[in-house]
Amino acid sequence: GAVVSQHPSWVICKSGTSVKIECRSLDFQATTMFWYRQFPKQSLMLMATSNEGSKATYEQGVEKDKFLINHASLTLSTLTVTSAHPEDSSFYICSARGDRGLGYGYTFGSGTRLTVV
Amino acid sequence: AQTVTQSQPEMSVQEAETVTLSCTYDTSESDYYLFWYKQPPSRQMILVIRQEAYKQQNATENRFSVNFQKAAKSFSLKISDSQLGDAAMYFCAYKPTGTASKLTFGTGTRLQVTL
Repeated sequence: GAVVSQHPSWVICKSGTSVKIECRSLDFQATTMFWYRQFPKQSLMLMATSNEGSKATYEQGVEKDKFLINHASLTLSTLTVTSAHPEDSSFYICSARGDRGLGYGYTFGSGTRLTVV
Repeated sequence: AQTVTQSQPEMSVQEAETVTLSCTYDTSESDYYLFWYKQPPSRQMILVIRQEAYKQQNATENRFSVNFQKAAKSFSLKISDSQLGDAAMYFCAYKPTGTASKLTFGTGTRLQVTL
């Protein structure tokens, strides 16, 4: 149980276009999902916390208007990178809390590699 | 604010040997959770082991065990009988006990396993 599906696994887009990344909890309901960004050989940097039915909470320094997060249902959260530029190229990972209890950490999606050309 | 420190950027171990990865953290909370995650080249984050702070007993999962020293705020991971498949980045993480509290990650330790 506690599977998180993230799609697409990789995407290449042109500078100035928008890209949407989906994160789905397949076998449990996730009221809260988290979006991370990871640069090569670095740790995960939390971008925002996504709450079902309400606005996302963004970490300091993360542009809300560039990284739009929508969590319209208990099983789906989306991250849209708007007007993408080469500096937005990165690895994006989502995670959700499983339903096995607070102490079981979070289940992660397989990540999305975004390349902006 | 909570911080998690992994002081070993890289470690190497021979196959079948034992290696210990270090992690220290800083918190003013008395109850929390600690985790070790593995990130192989596929970049999928995999939970290796977890520890509840209120439990004195060290967690064990097959070849993986932890040495949890609450007073010292230390949470090291021991991998016994290392296998080639253990080669990966390992991240230590801290989580408060709140319902939807976020994970704080360390900077990671890259583990190489040699023949």
